[in-house]
Amino acid sequence: DAMVIQNPRYQVTQFGKPVTLSCSQTLNHNVMYWYQQKSSQAPKLLFHYYDKDFNNEADTPDNFQSRRPNTSFCFLDIRSPGLGDAAMYLCATSRGGGIGAYEQYFGPGTRLTVT
Amino acid sequence: QKEVEQDPGPLSVPEGAIVSLNCTYSNSAFQYFMWYRQYSRKGPELLMYTYSSGNKEDGRFTAQVDKSSKYISLFIRDSQPSDSATYLCAMSGLDSSYKLIFGSGTRLLVRP
Repeated sequence: DAMVIQNPRYQVTQFGKPVTLSCSQTLNHNVMYWYQQKSSQAPKLLFHYYDKDFNNEADTPDNFQSRRPNTSFCFLDIRSPGLGDAAMYLCATSRGGGIGAYEQYFGPGTRLTVT
Repeated sequence: QKEVEQDPGPLSVPEGAIVSLNCTYSNSAFQYFMWYRQYSRKGPELLMYTYSSGNKEDGRFTAQVDKSSKYISLFIRDSQPSDSATYLCAMSGLDSSYKLIFGSGTRLLVRP
């Protein structure tokens, strides 16, 4: 089945220790998104890639970076995690054109704990 | 004022009840409307997708969009305990970025 996969599902890191979260997709979608979701809140968009074009949200802290080496994979790097970065991180994809262009499909998420 | 407003609940109903979930929005430029279901500690799952005004039905689920009132609804018929989850509305169409604007979600509990 075509899907969005996130690894790891749970990640524990220490305050200030860099961490990388990964996302892969078998949907062959053009657009990949990273969201941060805290308890009882809406997902907050951090950035997205349309193919190789990177789009950062204005309020995304510099502490968050992303890489998309190819169509299938996208990474979220948190350079110096703080306690406030503890959250669920969601990866999503969409076609980015044609029928269903706006439908986003989410992975299961990575729950990040910062100690 | 948030762009998309959604009552956080929780909404508690008995099994078999008809559930009505709603969102209001402020920007009349939205054209694409979606409902996602999110189980605890899981990613959101796309349930329904509607373009512009009107109704769309899929099994026990019906999505309604009233653009004149800037109001969207999701109805769940014959609700089941397995429907217990948080339901997020989302909308888009403001520009070509394909970004979604989410409501904060309504938590639904269906009691056996």
